[in-house]
This record gives sequence, C-alpha cells and structure tokens, in this order.
Amino acid sequence: DAGITQSPRHKVTETGTPVTLRCHQTENHRYMYWYRQDPGHGLRLIHYSYGVKDTDKGEVSDGYSVSRSKTEDFLLTLESATSSQTSVYFCAISETSGHNEQFFGPGTRLTVL
Amino acid sequence: GDSVTQMEGPVTLSEEAFLTINCTYTATGYPSLFWYVQYPGEGLQLLLKATKADDKGSNKGFEATYRKETTSFHLEKGSVQVSDSAVYFCALRRSYNAGNMLTFGGGTRLMVKP
Repeated sequence: DAGITQSPRHKVTETGTPVTLRCHQTENHRYMYWYRQDPGHGLRLIHYSYGVKDTDKGEVSDGYSVSRSKTEDFLLTLESATSSQTSVYFCAISETSGHNEQFFGPGTRLTVL
Repeated sequence: GDSVTQMEGPVTLSEEAFLTINCTYTATGYPSLFWYVQYPGEGLQLLLKATKADDKGSNKGFEATYRKETTSFHLEKGSVQVSDSAVYFCALRRSYNAGNMLTFGGGTRLMVKP
C-alpha cells in the first residue's frame, strides 16, 4: 500500500470555525490532490499540487485553500467552515504525469454543524 | 467538459451471479480509463485500467474493455462474491493533462448476498 496518511480521520466542528486537514505521504510523489466525496457526485477535485509551493484549483475550490511547504505534506484549509462542506475528504498522490495511477488515502470525515 | 456517467445503484446480486456495471464517458482526444473500488471505510483502490481503444483491463476476475465507438468502459465479472461488495467508480484522464487529473463518475454501490 502507498504510504499516505490523513489527519484527523474524523472531525466535528461548528459553522464559521477554521479547519485544517493534513495529508502526509512517504512515497516522494510529485503530485498531490484533495477531493471531496458526496453521495451522487462521486469524487470532485478541490485543489491539487504539482510541486512544493505549486498548487492549482480544481472543480470545487471555492471556500478552500491549500498549502504545500514540503514534498510530503499537503494541507487543506477551510477558512470558515459551512454546513455545505460536510463531506468525506480524500487525499491522493501520483508520480509524474503519464499513465500513472493515483493512490488514495483513507479519508477524513468532516461534519460541520 | 469531460464527464463520466455510471449506472445508479445499488446493484444487488446473489453470490456467483454475473455482474455488469455500465460506464460511458464524454471527453476530447483519447483519454485513459479506470475503474476504482472503495471498500467500506477505506479509500479508493485502482481495480483496472485501459489506456487506448480496444484495450482490455483485468484484475481479480473483473474485466473492462475500452470501446471508443460507443464511448464506454463497462465493468464485468463472471461470478461475484460477497467480498466484492463495495462502491465502484469509473474515471477518465484526458490525454493532455498536465496535472494528471481524473474525472470520476458518481459511483455504483454493489451488494452481494450469500
């Protein structure tokens, strides 16, 4: 299994509070991704990174920011959480572009009350 | 833009039944196609993939053939087991895709009864 961990695994928070989710990899892969999973929508890309300090927006980036100061860590921040951000969040990693697959972390279940 | 459409679930089968989960896509160029599986409480795992037309991906008894003429990548298994109960996602990656990004379908839940 690819070495990907996510923390926390579960979190309950209140509307308006800031939340940071962490993804940590031990594979030294260049690309890292944050997705959210919601019923009926599959996985939707929030943000991705193609290197240290290099990030770009995905399909559903509004209300989220990311940072990558080290190859192994990719942080997702909700500056002011809303109930619509209640979801399961998955981190994924990939080697350089081409026919390489993405490897997924175990997920973080976030509930915003 | 790119999109992937899967049959809605849940799909409920008896053990040893034949499985088909339909997947069709819309994309420009020649995308690569994937099936991922998600077991309860876990992240997604790659099940199989195909990178060009008429390729057949296979793994653990599952198969899918890349059909460009029908823009489809249907997942099949001849005899399902209870342990195959999971959510299955079809996904594509566009040919020219600097970020190696995937577009996912909505997922199909499979329930296999003994």
